[in-house]
Amino acid sequence: GAVVSQHPSWVICKSGTSVKIECRSLDFQATTMFWYRQFPKQSLMLMATSNEGSKATYEQGVEKDKFLINHASLTLSTLTVTSAHPEDSSFYICSAILGTGVGEQYFGPGTRLTVT
Amino acid sequence: DQQVKQNSPSLSVQEGRISILNCDYTNSMFDYFLWYKKYPAEGPTFLISISSIKDKNEDGRFTVFLNKSAKHLSLHIVPSQPGDSAVYFCAASANFGNEKLTFGTGTRLTIIP
Repeated sequence: GAVVSQHPSWVICKSGTSVKIECRSLDFQATTMFWYRQFPKQSLMLMATSNEGSKATYEQGVEKDKFLINHASLTLSTLTVTSAHPEDSSFYICSAILGTGVGEQYFGPGTRLTVT
Repeated sequence: DQQVKQNSPSLSVQEGRISILNCDYTNSMFDYFLWYKKYPAEGPTFLISISSIKDKNEDGRFTVFLNKSAKHLSLHIVPSQPGDSAVYFCAASANFGNEKLTFGTGTRLTIIP
């Protein structure tokens, strides 16, 4: 159990276009999901916390108008990179908390975004 | 400000021996700690966790030890197997896991056959 999927697994887009990444909890409901990005040989950096039915909470330095997050249901959160630039090229990973109380976070397989 | 630190970027261990990965933290609000294993271009895989009310948690070959006074935790893998070769991240959270995770910088573990 506790499977999180992401789609697409990789995407190439041109500068100036927008890209949507989906994160789904397949066998559990997640009121809270998180979006991370990872640059090569670096740790995962939290971008934002996504709560079902409310606005996302962004970490300092993350542009909320550039990285649009929507958590429309208990099993789906989406991250849209708007007007993408080459510096947005990165590995984006989502996670979801299983249960309430003491909860482990389970991660999706990640999405490789390359902006040309 | 790196609140969770893994000071060893890499570690090599012979197959069958014990692997010990270390992690230090600075934020006293952290009360839940997790270890993840990660392969390149994949999401982290949850391994084991520990709450601050415990000092040890064991799951098969994996044991996590927590020393709250020293703000230190360690992951023991015994016996080490070739399939354990990966990057290991420790992570910390407040509110018993219901808050955002802060990740360490990772330790690349290589198991030598």
